[in-house]
Amino acid sequence: DAGVTQSPTHLIKTRGQQVTLRCSPISGHKSVSWYQQVLGQGPQFIFQYYEKEERGRGNFPDRFSARQFPNYSSELNVNALLLGDSALYLCASSLGRGDTFGSGTRLTVV
Amino acid sequence: LAKTTQPISMDSYEGQEVNITCSHNNIATNDYITWYQQFPSQGPRFIIQGYKTKVTNEVASLFIPADRKSSTLSLPRVSLSDTAVYYCLVGATASGGSYIPTFGRGTSLIVHP
Repeated sequence: DAGVTQSPTHLIKTRGQQVTLRCSPISGHKSVSWYQQVLGQGPQFIFQYYEKEERGRGNFPDRFSARQFPNYSSELNVNALLLGDSALYLCASSLGRGDTFGSGTRLTVV
Repeated sequence: LAKTTQPISMDSYEGQEVNITCSHNNIATNDYITWYQQFPSQGPRFIIQGYKTKVTNEVASLFIPADRKSSTLSLPRVSLSDTAVYYCLVGATASGGSYIPTFGRGTSLIVHP
């Protein structure tokens, strides 16, 4: 069975640019969450979608947005990138009892 | 938001039992407690989840006292491959109301030969 897949695995962007990260959940999982993990810290919750509706939002600026599609895949968009947005972005899917995480997208903003 | 506090690091030896305690003083009524393991350059891996008392699976046990203000992850007979960062997470499950999970900074466990 395929796990949670994220694309791309690595990405380099310039300050001010926009980026879109993609996530495919485990088949049958209707919940998708996004996290940002800065080196040396725990993952910080950004968004959670359940059945295509936003169920939770963490303490991130409006530059961060997300959506979930009818097939339950999801995209995370970040506008006007800052150097501080450099991090590992993790996607997780769930049936409601613990998240299964992907390997993440390593975003570097230069 | 429920905030969690864990020891920054722990050391153990192969074959020993390891107990990692997490404090979550302002846990909400509908919050579950979940523990994850993370290796470098990988996403966290689910270990165990509980709401109260004791939960056991094939890899770990989770002890939660009646006041639910803390929880203890117990890893029996650790091996070198258990060297990783362990996170305690408090938050409602996906199918129940608003969902704002909060990870702490994690506990870096080093298992020595």
